[in-house]
Amino acid sequence: DQQVKQNSPSLSVQEGRISILNCDYTNSMFDYFLWYKKYPAEGPTFLISISSIKDKNEDGRFTVFLNKSAKHLSLHIVPSQPGDSAVYFCAAFDAGGTSYGKLTFGQGTILTVHP
Amino acid sequence: KAGVTQTPRYLIKTRGQQVTLSCSPISGHRSVSWYQQTPGQGLQFLFEYFSETQRNKGNFPGRFSGRQFSNSRSEMNVSTLELGDSALYLCASSRTGSGYTFGSGTRLTVV
Repeated sequence: DQQVKQNSPSLSVQEGRISILNCDYTNSMFDYFLWYKKYPAEGPTFLISISSIKDKNEDGRFTVFLNKSAKHLSLHIVPSQPGDSAVYFCAAFDAGGTSYGKLTFGQGTILTVHP
Repeated sequence: KAGVTQTPRYLIKTRGQQVTLSCSPISGHRSVSWYQQTPGQGLQFLFEYFSETQRNKGNFPGRFSGRQFSNSRSEMNVSTLELGDSALYLCASSRTGSGYTFGSGTRLTVV
């Protein structure tokens, strides 16, 4: 039972263009969402988060959009840079419940940004 | 400020042995969570500790255990190692429970 899904295993984008990474969830108890970037053999690096009381959050080149009715979120990276090439994970958790420390991760999307 | 420190970075163990991994959280962070990453299962939650108490546990067998010390440092132990326990083990710490910073992980190989 995969509660967080990233249906695109990979995405290839040209430098300077927009990268859009998508994530769907099924558990309606999730009310806080995070995006992480990860390189092989390293820990995930936090990028940006969003609470369910918002529908958009921006931080520099990164913007996360949340559509609660569709149980869908997306990460936009504009403009994309070659250094953005990595695996991107979407994660969700129930901040208001007793799921202490438990982030539920998607399977990840490999982003490749070509110069 | 120092990040989350995990030791050792790499470990090779034989089936049937046990292993202990260590995690030092960011100063001031009292919540420590552990995750296992494998190619087939992705990132899966093991357990979470706060003020030396386990508050949450994932769906792993009892061979996986952990503890947290009064200085918030945490250890996880895997007994009777199996080949399938080969994975990257990640620790994350948090102060508020809404932002989690991960360490670089310990790569465990069971042969």
